[in-house]
Amino acid sequence: DAGVTQSPTHLIKTRGQQVTLRCSPKSGHDTVSWYQQALGQGPQFIFQYYEEEERQRGNFPDRFSGHQFPNYSSELNVNALLLGDSALYLCASSLAGGYGYTFGSGTRLTVV
Amino acid sequence: QQQVKQSPQSLIVQKGGISIINCAYENTAFDYFPWYQQFPGKGPALLIAIRPDVSEKKEGRFTISFNKSAKQFSLHIMDSQPGDSATYFCAASPNTGGFKTIFGAGTRLFVKA
Repeated sequence: DAGVTQSPTHLIKTRGQQVTLRCSPKSGHDTVSWYQQALGQGPQFIFQYYEEEERQRGNFPDRFSGHQFPNYSSELNVNALLLGDSALYLCASSLAGGYGYTFGSGTRLTVV
Repeated sequence: QQQVKQSPQSLIVQKGGISIINCAYENTAFDYFPWYQQFPGKGPALLIAIRPDVSEKKEGRFTISFNKSAKQFSLHIMDSQPGDSATYFCAASPNTGGFKTIFGAGTRLFVKA
């Protein structure tokens, strides 16, 4: 039973560029949440997708956008990258109406 | 009101000792309180969780104590082992909307052999 799969594992981008991160949820899960984890900090909620719609959003600018596909996989897009966007980006899947996340190992994004 | 405050930031415990991490919240809409364990290079993994209708939950060496009136909860790791060395996050989820989870800032635990 595969868990949450994220790709790529590491990424280096230049300021101003755009990046797309990908996530496949755990089998049977239909909800995907994205988190940003800065070094030494707790994960910060970016947004959550369910039924291909953004259901909730945290305090992140519009440069952060996402998408969920019919197979429940999801993408996180970040435009106009800033140095401060350097972080570990975590994808977590869950069941709609259920508690508890299964996290992937994350994508380490470095903006230079 | 959406914050979850966690302490201490770091903790050093002798092997066999008890590790205690504390958290506090303000939003009474929170009704699910999980603890996550994170090793370097990995995503957080759900360790144990509690609902506010019970005051304590135990799973093996891990126990959550919950004080609803004080809006506080804590994780106790009994007989701490070097393999428990990791970062621990408390978290809280509301009973409405998408059940998004709010995380504390984390506690880095080091268990000395």
